[in-house]
Amino acid sequence: DTGVSQNPRHKITKRGQNVTFRCDPISEHNRLYWYRQTLGQGPEFLTYFQNEAQLEKSRLLSDRFSAERPKGSFSTLEIQRTEQGDSAMYLCASSRDRQDSYNSPLHFGNGTRLTVT
Amino acid sequence: QQQVKQSPQSLIVQKGGISIINCAYENTAFDYFPWYQQFPGKGPALLIAIRPDVSEKKEGRFTISFNKSAKQFSLHIMDSQPGDSATYFCAARGRNQAGTALIFGKGTTLSVSS
Repeated sequence: DTGVSQNPRHKITKRGQNVTFRCDPISEHNRLYWYRQTLGQGPEFLTYFQNEAQLEKSRLLSDRFSAERPKGSFSTLEIQRTEQGDSAMYLCASSRDRQDSYNSPLHFGNGTRLTVT
Repeated sequence: QQQVKQSPQSLIVQKGGISIINCAYENTAFDYFPWYQQFPGKGPALLIAIRPDVSEKKEGRFTISFNKSAKQFSLHIMDSQPGDSATYFCAARGRNQAGTALIFGKGTTLSVSS
């Protein structure tokens, strides 16, 4: 179990640029989640994949955000035309495919910290 | 709309003392209540979780107390140590809705002084 891996760890970009983050989940986990965390706040749900299917999206996920999980393995989160308000830690989590939440806890990566200047 | 309210926002406890963090929820469909621990620069890590059919769960120095009628649950850290200094988040989700979002509280920053 190598854990959830996220790259890059840090990204600094200028307003208006596009950025893409990558998440590699734990290998046997079918479910993958993206969260956003700003300073002093708890993680906020963005979107969720079951294998390659994107099953749920938060209202926080504006049209400038897009997430993919080709072949149900790694996932990418792209932000187009970044704004200063996008500055945050973007967290990826994965879990097993179990109906019972108690038996399918979320395992988080260490996140990608985005700074938009 | 905040569905999980956590308090206090910050907490200072002396080494060896008891740390208590409280959470309240509104949605009666919530049926799974985990606590996560987060150190600076790291992602949240699952600490302990409880099913609502029990009133308490203990793992080492960490205990969750659950009050279903009051829709409240709390984390107790016994014999608090400096290494426990971190941010703690309560969370909730419908137990049989494992595909829906885990909703987090805003977090409690715990500092354990030596």
